[in-house]
Amino acid sequence: GENVEQHLSTLSVQEGDSAVIKCTYSDSASNYFPWYKQELGKRPQLIIDIRSNVGEKKDQRIAVTLNKTAKHFSLHITETQPEDSAVYFCAATNSGGSNYKLTFGKGTLLTVNP
Amino acid sequence: EAQVTQNPRYLITVTGKKLTVTCSQNMNHEYMSWYRQDPGLGLRQIYYSMNVEVTDKGDVPEGYKVSRKEKRNFPLILESPSPNQTSLYFCASSLSRINSPLHFGNGTRLTVT
Repeated sequence: GENVEQHLSTLSVQEGDSAVIKCTYSDSASNYFPWYKQELGKRPQLIIDIRSNVGEKKDQRIAVTLNKTAKHFSLHITETQPEDSAVYFCAATNSGGSNYKLTFGKGTLLTVNP
Repeated sequence: EAQVTQNPRYLITVTGKKLTVTCSQNMNHEYMSWYRQDPGLGLRQIYYSMNVEVTDKGDVPEGYKVSRKEKRNFPLILESPSPNQTSLYFCASSLSRINSPLHFGNGTRLTVT
């Protein structure tokens, strides 16, 4: 089955700096890679996703890049703000397979210091 | 309002006492899933359902049961809860299994003593 590694358990940045969170996956058949943000005491919410036929996707201050050869994908947040402080989860799945097991990484706690 | 509703939000019970956590979505979503969240372990999938009467095991199914008799409901059943099932549980749904974002419920914090 799929194994998703999220290498940083915590990341601390100064407000205005950029933050990058990287994940690696094991199953070369995985083709859908969403990122979820979970604020303290809240539910996870999708912030951006990428499909395997695309190398990069941007949405305002956030972007995701995918390297299929190396089997890793990264979340990039520019001009970080205190409200970006949260736990970020990456995930991967083969959405065209016979099942739909979405495997999450263990999460990265991002702290943006004012 | 489109949402996934879980009940109860908090539950304290004793070992061996059967319990059910309900989950309901009003978005006509095909796919529903249960996750447990534990510190340092992230979100781990317990069971999922591709449609009515179609369910399958996730990564940590032991000690849990589910059913999907109606499209909107996907209850999680713990027949004989044990302390290692103390966790934060999330139900989630998506329109389909193909590249659709998951919508999570507010979570159920379960404590088994």
